[in-house]
Amino acid sequence: DIQLTQSPAFLSPSIGDRVTVTCRASQDISRGLAWYQVKPGKAPKLLIYAASTLHTGVPLRFSGSGSGTDFTLTISSLQPEDFAIYFCHYSSGFFPITFGQGTRLEMK
Amino acid sequence: QVQMIQSGAEVKKPGASVTVSCKTSGYTFTGHYIHWLRLAPGQGPEWMGWVNTYRGDTHYAPKFQGRVALSRDTSETTAYMELSSLTSDDTAVYFCARDLVEGQGALSNWFDAWGQGTLVTVSS
Repeated sequence: DIQLTQSPAFLSPSIGDRVTVTCRASQDISRGLAWYQVKPGKAPKLLIYAASTLHTGVPLRFSGSGSGTDFTLTISSLQPEDFAIYFCHYSSGFFPITFGQGTRLEMK
Repeated sequence: QVQMIQSGAEVKKPGASVTVSCKTSGYTFTGHYIHWLRLAPGQGPEWMGWVNTYRGDTHYAPKFQGRVALSRDTSETTAYMELSSLTSDDTAVYFCARDLVEGQGALSNWFDAWGQGTLVTVSS
């Protein structure tokens, strides 16, 4: 199975900061990666799929990059509503679907 | 707009079964696969399987094979997840999620709409 390792596990950025979260796959997954935002008690939100495609309605401050084994989610200027947990997600027809362990963005 | 409304929280004893429903609206139900996932505290989400809402066929993650059953009722535009032989390790929030791509045979395994989650607690 594909293992996804996210880093860091926790971040305490300030409003307006540029935030970068990374996700490393245990083997080459091409561009088979998505990013989700999860807030307590709310439905998770798809942000990015196919490594860099911004999902409809997602603010332009979110972007994704990478291919192969190394991927990045970037928030260009953090807003108050962005404090949440972010998960990367592997999708392919070859191996079972897996997720990273999450990165929690907390207010300082 | 797309809505996926799940049934309420459940408390079950070890060994029991639980069924969670996912009532959908705002789109063509049979045009998208529905997936089920769960999220336990301190862990990443786990994908459990999908149901083809048009044909009714299913596919399960190896970890849940034999213990999970996914189904759907097209007349009610509702999907169901039944998990049996529950243990304390099954305590989690369970989600239904819609597959991104539209088409009766189209499957992307990206999840673009989610239910609000159903807390299942397994405790003696």
